[in-house]
Amino acid sequence: NAGVTQTPKFQVLKTGQSMTLQCAQDMNHNSMYWYRQDPGMGLRLIYYSASEGTTDKGEVPNGYNVSRLNKREFSLRLESAAPSQTSVYFCASSGRQGSETQYFGPGTRLLVL
Amino acid sequence: GNSVTQMEGPVTLSEEAFLTINCTYTATGYPSLFWYVQYPGEGLQLLLKATKADDKGSNKGFEATYRKETTSFHLEKGSVQVSDSAVYFCALTRGTGNQFYFGTGTSLTVIP
Repeated sequence: NAGVTQTPKFQVLKTGQSMTLQCAQDMNHNSMYWYRQDPGMGLRLIYYSASEGTTDKGEVPNGYNVSRLNKREFSLRLESAAPSQTSVYFCASSGRQGSETQYFGPGTRLLVL
Repeated sequence: GNSVTQMEGPVTLSEEAFLTINCTYTATGYPSLFWYVQYPGEGLQLLLKATKADDKGSNKGFEATYRKETTSFHLEKGSVQVSDSAVYFCALTRGTGNQFYFGTGTSLTVIP
């Protein structure tokens, strides 16, 4: 039982490049989330998926897209990276047996030059 | 709207000191409240939670009581250890599948 896994762990991009951050969970959770963490800002929700087949915008969705590929996987795509997207990205999941607790992945550190 | 406000850090304490990290919230209805901990280079881990008023969450010597009258969920520990050095986040949610709202985090350093 690996919990929530994220790939890659670290990535450097040039401005304008695109990339997809991958997230998978093996806990049979219904809901999945993408956050970004910036110094002094705490965690801010980018997008979330309350259940398979649905996605909704969070607090800071601009510049991102998401895909809930199946119940296990939830990817985050940056179509044209900008330096303002330099951050640490966390994926989380919740919803097993009615539990509200969110379980987090180890994070992806992204640097956009 | 929903929001969480927690005391700003950083907080530096000597080993075996008493810890309090304040957290207050604004929410519609009856949220569930959480404390998460983040160790350096890692993701967030659930520390404790409380789902209704007057509930006390506890884990690893940490405690927090859901106070609806003061809309607070302060984190306490009677005797901190060096291994407690981390960033602590207060959070709330309105229910399963709903958004979490996090505070900005409080960095704690415990010195021997």
